[in-house]
Amino acid sequence: EVQLVESGGGLVQPGGSLRLSCAASGFSFSTYWMYWVRQVPGQGLMWISRMNSDGDSTAYADSVKGRFTISRDNAKNTLYLQMNSLKVDDSAVYYCARGLRFFDCWGQGTQVTVSS
Amino acid sequence: EIVMTQSPATLSVSPGERATLSCRASQSVSRNLAWYQQKPGQAPRLLIYGASTRATGVPVRFSGSGSGTEFTLTISSLQSEDLAVYYCQQYNNWPLFGPGTKVYIK
Repeated sequence: EVQLVESGGGLVQPGGSLRLSCAASGFSFSTYWMYWVRQVPGQGLMWISRMNSDGDSTAYADSVKGRFTISRDNAKNTLYLQMNSLKVDDSAVYYCARGLRFFDCWGQGTQVTVSS
Repeated sequence: EIVMTQSPATLSVSPGERATLSCRASQSVSRNLAWYQQKPGQAPRLLIYGASTRATGVPVRFSGSGSGTEFTLTISSLQSEDLAVYYCQQYNNWPLFGPGTKVYIK
């Protein structure tokens, strides 16, 4: 079964850091581009970062550029998102998603809450 | 910069009736358009890509059409389990989602 499982979310104070992980199984992880997409509860979806299959090309939405870093370990079938200098506006459910341009597999999401 | 809009914002349909959801792009995205279904408390699920190709396992009652700037998702005979928010997403440029249409069962 193709599966993505996120972890690492939680409550953090403004200015703090979190590292999200996304464990992949059931498919050849190393051959897929991967994204992080976030969703403020009750609101829409927004991509925030993506990485190519080899891990040598990345992109970030302007709202997180310079603060978030995407990475992957193909040997461990895992995608990561290091989030630094967190702001209240970063509070959301964070999903990892598989795909180059559209997303055919999503994790269940992990909640990140930034609050003092 | 492309802007995606969806209409209506909410839609109430009786079981067995047809539901028609619209998605509009502010500039042409060719057929680089996907639709997703997000049920309450769940992650999004890919329904349609390439404007009209059903993803694996998607029931045939879901169909997509359109090209350029105007797209439609049709649920031919609404089932109770179709209660969800439906998002379109263009991928002609960086992925961009529409604001969603919430479908209620009347």
